[in-house]
Amino acid sequence: GAGVSQSPSNKVTEKGKDVELRCDPISGHTALYWYRQRLGQGLEFLIYFQGNSAPDKSGLPSDRFSAERTGESVSTLTIQRTQQEDSAVYLCASRQVYEQYFGPGTRLTVT
Amino acid sequence: GENVEQHPSTLSVQEGDSAVIKCTYSDSASNYFPWYKQELGKGPQLIIDIRSNVGEKKDQRIAVTLNKTAKHFSLHITETQPEDSAVYFCAASMSGANSKLTFGKGITLSVRP
Repeated sequence: GAGVSQSPSNKVTEKGKDVELRCDPISGHTALYWYRQRLGQGLEFLIYFQGNSAPDKSGLPSDRFSAERTGESVSTLTIQRTQQEDSAVYLCASRQVYEQYFGPGTRLTVT
Repeated sequence: GENVEQHPSTLSVQEGDSAVIKCTYSDSASNYFPWYKQELGKGPQLIIDIRSNVGEKKDQRIAVTLNKTAKHFSLHITETQPEDSAVYFCAASMSGANSKLTFGKGITLSVRP
């Protein structure tokens, strides 16, 4: 079946602009995660949605970052007033009980 | 909370040799341990996982072993091939979608032809 999809695959934006990244999870997966991965680094947890529970926002690095999820469907990660240090690959993953599957990521470059 | 550590951070092996990557975890309540392979420019791919009710699981050239007493688990790759070269992440969590995975920092495996 279809895996996790993300769009756009690449995004170049100017410093100070807002960007919106989209994630389509695997159908039926109740949990959805966003991670940030800087070049050559590990996976930095950002935010986690589980069903109708309040999201776990403990990993968001600043109030410029926010995310929403519509039910158990699409999620969008928004970065306001982008800074050069926001340049990274943003990965989305979804999970049902055990297995967690990642999307291909969105490569964000802030110039 | 859970803390997962991977050692070493880089590993280089000759094609055909075996590679072993080790991880330790801190929370004895964790009972699910997946391994991910990330190739350049791609998202991490789940390659094998193990639950705490078994000590070993094998899938062709890869296997994972779990020692709950010592709180460590290892990925074993036999007959390595150049296409095994990638970054490998281990992770741990409790079962259920309510529990989020804690990842290790990753190890870069290089297989020399």
